[in-house]
Amino acid sequence: SQTIHQWPATLVQPVGSPLSLECTVEGTSNPNLYWYRQAAGRGLQLLFYSVGIGQISSEVPQNLSASRPQDRQFILSSKKLLLSDSGFYLCAWSAQNQETQYFGPGTRLLVL
Amino acid sequence: ILNVEQSPQSLHVQEGDSTNFTCSFPSSNFYALHWYRWETAKSPEALFVMTLNGDEKKKGRISATLNTKEGYSYLYIKGSQPEDSATYLCAFWLGYSTLTFGKGTMLLVSP
Repeated sequence: SQTIHQWPATLVQPVGSPLSLECTVEGTSNPNLYWYRQAAGRGLQLLFYSVGIGQISSEVPQNLSASRPQDRQFILSSKKLLLSDSGFYLCAWSAQNQETQYFGPGTRLLVL
Repeated sequence: ILNVEQSPQSLHVQEGDSTNFTCSFPSSNFYALHWYRWETAKSPEALFVMTLNGDEKKKGRISATLNTKEGYSYLYIKGSQPEDSATYLCAFWLGYSTLTFGKGTMLLVSP
């Protein structure tokens, strides 16, 4: 069966510090991968998605970036965090040509 | 930009009450409508995928209906229980690209 992992589970970072969140999927190959953020009091916002290694689509311009160095690995990064980057970050995967998404456990990020 | 609206934003009911909430989406270019349940401290989980006008899906005490011509879906919970407390998300799919999520309805069921 397929599983999706995210780490860390929680993170407290100072403003201006870098960020790296990792997501890996097991039990499937060539998945579509997604990064979402839920900011306080807001809905689920799609940040990035990827249909293959090295292929990243950005939905919202911001100071975040994503990379997919391997088929089942998706990384969310920032060079300098802003206060507004605080939120709950979810990684998700879907099979190719399928739209149902399966979510990871999430990372709660607090930028102080 | 697709507009997927959910109402109400939040709902507080007593154990045993039945409840329902709404997801509105663009009625043109419809392909599929998804419902997810997102419990606190857990990940969103898929509940239903609905594709046909008039579709009705059921899972235990939870059911959903779909009207693609007028662009809405209802989610019903019969005899709410505290374990039903969660945020219920709907998501719209055009048949390509990604899902577009609504902001969710936060349900709290008090014992």
